[in-house]
Amino acid sequence: GESVGLHLPTLSVQEGDNSIINCAYSNSASDYFIWYKQESGKGPQFIIDIRSNMDKRQGQRVTVLLNKTVKHLSLQIAATQPGDSAVYFCAEKKLSGGSNYKLTFGKGTLLTVNP
Amino acid sequence: EAQVTQNPRYLITVTGKKLTVTCSQNMNHEYMSWYRQDPGLGLRQIYYSMNVEATDKGDVPEGYKVSRKEKRNFPLILESPSPNQTSLYFCASSLFGSSYNSPLHFGNGTRLTVT
Repeated sequence: GESVGLHLPTLSVQEGDNSIINCAYSNSASDYFIWYKQESGKGPQFIIDIRSNMDKRQGQRVTVLLNKTVKHLSLQIAATQPGDSAVYFCAEKKLSGGSNYKLTFGKGTLLTVNP
Repeated sequence: EAQVTQNPRYLITVTGKKLTVTCSQNMNHEYMSWYRQDPGLGLRQIYYSMNVEATDKGDVPEGYKVSRKEKRNFPLILESPSPNQTSLYFCASSLFGSSYNSPLHFGNGTRLTVT
């Protein structure tokens, strides 16, 4: 069956360190992968995305890496700050029912940044 | 400000008492969707709408109804709520549902408790 899962449910880092959040997926037909950040009391917020024909994409302080060989996705956050503390979700998107792109979310990783 | 607005933020009700959770977006998005978020299960799609008068079931539609009479509004209706519908609900929208790179924008959630 298809699934999007996470290697670690929690991650604790020191302020200023780099963070790496990992995600495994099982559906090789997925076209598109997204990382969302969810702060306490808020809805998920889009961070960065990557198409399946790419292996790396960089944003501001964030980098997403996609390894299709082992079906692995990671989010790297540089110089982690206390404001980065949140739950991070990976999600995969693929065509479903002909015209609708279905988004399947992973369970989430709680990132805690210690001052 | 571009946003997805849900109301109410918190709702406590009793089994069988019909309720509606409203959702409105001001971004002229075609696609709207409802998710529920439960511990250990992540975000699961309830219903989605590709456009006005076009709605379809997601992964967990039982016990829910939706309507899309106008582009901006997508209410979630629980005709006869039960305790297993106690959850955190999110409304989301995107410009298109048929485009892989159209990111979802989420509301801040509605915490529903059914006793």
